[in-house]
Amino acid sequence: DVKVTQSSRYLVKRTGEKVFLECVQDMDHENMFWYRQDPGLGLRLIYFSYDVKMKEKGDIPEGYSVSREKKERFSLILESASTNQTSMYLCASSPTSGRPKNIQYFGAGTRLSVL
Amino acid sequence: QKEVEQNSGPLSVPEGAIASLNCTYSDRGSQSFFWYRQYSGKSPELIMFIYSNGDKEDGRFTAQLNKASQYVSLLIRDSQPSDSATYLCAVGGSFQKLVFGTGTRLLVSP
Repeated sequence: DVKVTQSSRYLVKRTGEKVFLECVQDMDHENMFWYRQDPGLGLRLIYFSYDVKMKEKGDIPEGYSVSREKKERFSLILESASTNQTSMYLCASSPTSGRPKNIQYFGAGTRLSVL
Repeated sequence: QKEVEQNSGPLSVPEGAIASLNCTYSDRGSQSFFWYRQYSGKSPELIMFIYSNGDKEDGRFTAQLNKASQYVSLLIRDSQPSDSATYLCAVGGSFQKLVFGTGTRLLVSP
């Protein structure tokens, strides 16, 4: 089974702190994604990566950065946390090749509260 | 902007009935379509995928795709209270990305 592990289920941080959210997948997938999910807004893509050291902006990258130094690990960084970044953060991975492709497998999520 | 539209619900059905969940998408070039189930406070889990026009069945679930009408649906037969969740429709986009709908909340009453 595909396993996508997010380092924390719940986090509470203060405004202005630098926050790291970690995600590790064990299926050798090329693609990794970070989303945030808010009531009524659905899943919104923050950043994705299709290879080591490669990253692409999603729909809402402002206030976030990412790092992918190893294939299995994709980190989301909130440079200076703000209250409007309180949300559920979801990491996903997917393979590039094979069939079916494009299937994204999600981690358990990190519920972040910024006070 | 590529869009995926779903009725937010809630869709309420009695136990044992058929639940029908619908989704429309804007990108006519889309090739892959997915249904995820998300329980409250949990992450999405894949339940069905479909690539070709027509029906695909897996147990109590049937996915239906009509590319001409840009319409995807999910039927759940013999609905159970444990099926109560939010169902997300997702459509394959560019660069391995998926575009998600905002989800339909399903409530199955005993």
